[in-house]
Amino acid sequence: DAMVIQNPRYQVTQFGKPVTLSCSQTLNHNVMYWYQQKSSQAPKLLFHYYDKDFNNEADTPDNFQSRRPNTSFCFLDIRSPGLGDAAMYLCATSRALAGTETDTQYFGPGTRLTVL
Amino acid sequence: QKEVEQNSGPLSVPEGAIASLNCTYSDRGSQSFFWYRQYSGKSPELIMSIYSNGDKEDGRFTAQLNKASQYVSLLIRDSQPSDSATYLCAAPRSNDYKLSFGAGTTVTVRA
Repeated sequence: DAMVIQNPRYQVTQFGKPVTLSCSQTLNHNVMYWYQQKSSQAPKLLFHYYDKDFNNEADTPDNFQSRRPNTSFCFLDIRSPGLGDAAMYLCATSRALAGTETDTQYFGPGTRLTVL
Repeated sequence: QKEVEQNSGPLSVPEGAIASLNCTYSDRGSQSFFWYRQYSGKSPELIMSIYSNGDKEDGRFTAQLNKASQYVSLLIRDSQPSDSATYLCAAPRSNDYKLSFGAGTTVTVRA
């Protein structure tokens, strides 16, 4: 089945220790997104790629970086995690940014990040 | 004004009843609307998308869109305990196409 996969599902890191979260997709979608979701809050967009074009949200901290080496994979790097970065990190994909029925976003299962 | 607003809930309904969730949006240029279901500790799962005015039915779920009133709703018929979750309404912004999410409505179906 075509899907969005995230690894690991749970990640524990120490304060300040870099961590990388990965996302892969078999949907062959052009757009990949990273969201941060904290308890009882809506997902918050960090950045997205349209193909290789990177778009960073204005309020995304510099501590967060992303890489998309190919269509299928996208990585979220947190250079120096703080306690406030503990959250669920969600990867999503869509065929296009907008347009009739091509902008539907499909989410992966998420990675729960704990910062000690 | 928030771009997407949902009735805050929480909403508690007995098993077998209809759960009604409401959502309003401020961006008249939004063309597509989505309902996601999110179980506690899990990721959002798409349950309905709607693009045209009127009703769209999928099993026990019916989405209703009224662009003139800038209103989207989701009805869950014959509610089951497995429907207990948070439901997120979302719509892309017309200026940059990024999804705006409502705060979510938590539904509890009582057995």
